[in-house]
Amino acid sequence: QLQLQESGPGLVKPSETLSLTCTVSGGSISSSSFYWGWIRQPPGKGLEWIGSIYYSGTTYYNSSLKSRLTISVDTSKNQFSLKLSSVTAADTAVYYCARQGLISSWVDPWGQGTLVTVSS
Amino acid sequence: DIQMTQSPSSLSASVGDRVTITCQASQDIRDYLNWYQQKPGKAPNLLIYDASNLETGVPSRFSGSGSGTDFTFTISSLQPEDIATYYCQQYDNLPSLTFGGGTEVEIK
Repeated sequence: QLQLQESGPGLVKPSETLSLTCTVSGGSISSSSFYWGWIRQPPGKGLEWIGSIYYSGTTYYNSSLKSRLTISVDTSKNQFSLKLSSVTAADTAVYYCARQGLISSWVDPWGQGTLVTVSS
Repeated sequence: DIQMTQSPSSLSASVGDRVTITCQASQDIRDYLNWYQQKPGKAPNLLIYDASNLETGVPSRFSGSGSGTDFTFTISSLQPEDIATYYCQQYDNLPSLTFGGGTEVEIK
């Protein structure tokens, strides 16, 4: 059964870079049938797609975050990563990594999520 | 960018009631719409894909319909375990996704 697990610091200072890694187990990140994505949810609010990556390294970013965002993939480790620079309190959220269907683009499964707080 | 307007933002219903949630897209998205259930403190869970297809293992009291700009999600007989927030999600411009604002479902 495919599982995803986010890891990274839970507290980031304003203006610094938020870095998270998603480790995929129970399946290969090199599958040609899926994207691998990041989605976030500010406390008490809705879901926002951050961006996705294909195993080849092709990336797709939310236009509102594009200037601060880097998503990368390491197929040898079965991981993909997120870096969001120049963070502010508005970036405080639960960050989820997830598998995304290539055609119907459903999101399943999701990681359990990790809360990242931006605060000094 | 395509906007998704989901309504109502919250509702309260009795066990056994029929519950309906709507999602309207700002432009035609064909049937490129999925529905999720999110329980407190948990990640969302896929229920319906491509507007009307029930994900494997999801109870048949959940259903979806619609195409174009107007979509409906229905729980035919609300159960206590259905207390959650429900989200629609469109994917007209792969792999970019947009979610609706969510509908919080409570038991009256």
